[in-house]
Amino acid sequence: NAGVMQNPRHLVRRRGQEARLRCSPMKGHSHVYWYRQLPEEGLKFMVYLQKENIIDESGMPKERFSAEFPKEGPSILRIQQVVRGDSAAYFCASSQNRDIRDGYTFGSGTRLTVV
Amino acid sequence: AQSVTQLGSHVSVSEGALVLLRCNYSSSVPPYLFWYVQYPNQGLQLLLKYTTGATLVKGINGFEAEFKKSETSFHLTKPSAHMSDAAEYFCAVSITGTASKLTFGTGTRLQVTL
Repeated sequence: NAGVMQNPRHLVRRRGQEARLRCSPMKGHSHVYWYRQLPEEGLKFMVYLQKENIIDESGMPKERFSAEFPKEGPSILRIQQVVRGDSAAYFCASSQNRDIRDGYTFGSGTRLTVV
Repeated sequence: AQSVTQLGSHVSVSEGALVLLRCNYSSSVPPYLFWYVQYPNQGLQLLLKYTTGATLVKGINGFEAEFKKSETSFHLTKPSAHMSDAAEYFCAVSITGTASKLTFGTGTRLQVTL
């Protein structure tokens, strides 16, 4: 049973380009969470999605960032017109249900570098 | 709202020595508490968790943590450090009953020396 799969592992974008980060949750998991880890900081919550629905996007920057989790396919975190400050590790996690007691299963992350 | 404070961004211990990583939380309602470990260039792996019941919880790799409500703490310990324990450790809290928003501390980097 594969874990949470994120790709690409590393992504380099020039300022102004778009970055698309993909996350395939564990089999049987329908809840996906995106977190961002800035250098020397902890993980910050960005968005929580269920299939075809955004449940909580309170941690998403108001502009340039969007997320989706379609009925078929992986969850996508999209960053438009990237800036240097977007350079970070982006982690996706998934869970089977809404019960936080089981914790999340995290992917290995996508490390975005904006040059 | 909940928050987590990890005291000490870097901790260094000798191999075989006790590991103690500190975590204090703030929560207006009973919390769920977690410790995760992150090895270089990898994702986070769940070490252990406290939800309800016994306040001393045991996790993988010989780690354990004790929930102390009176001290609002959830410190992580291991009796004898091993070189393979070198990693970054994150404490996280969630409010009981919510389905999202694990709130993480800023992490403690553990160094193990010979």
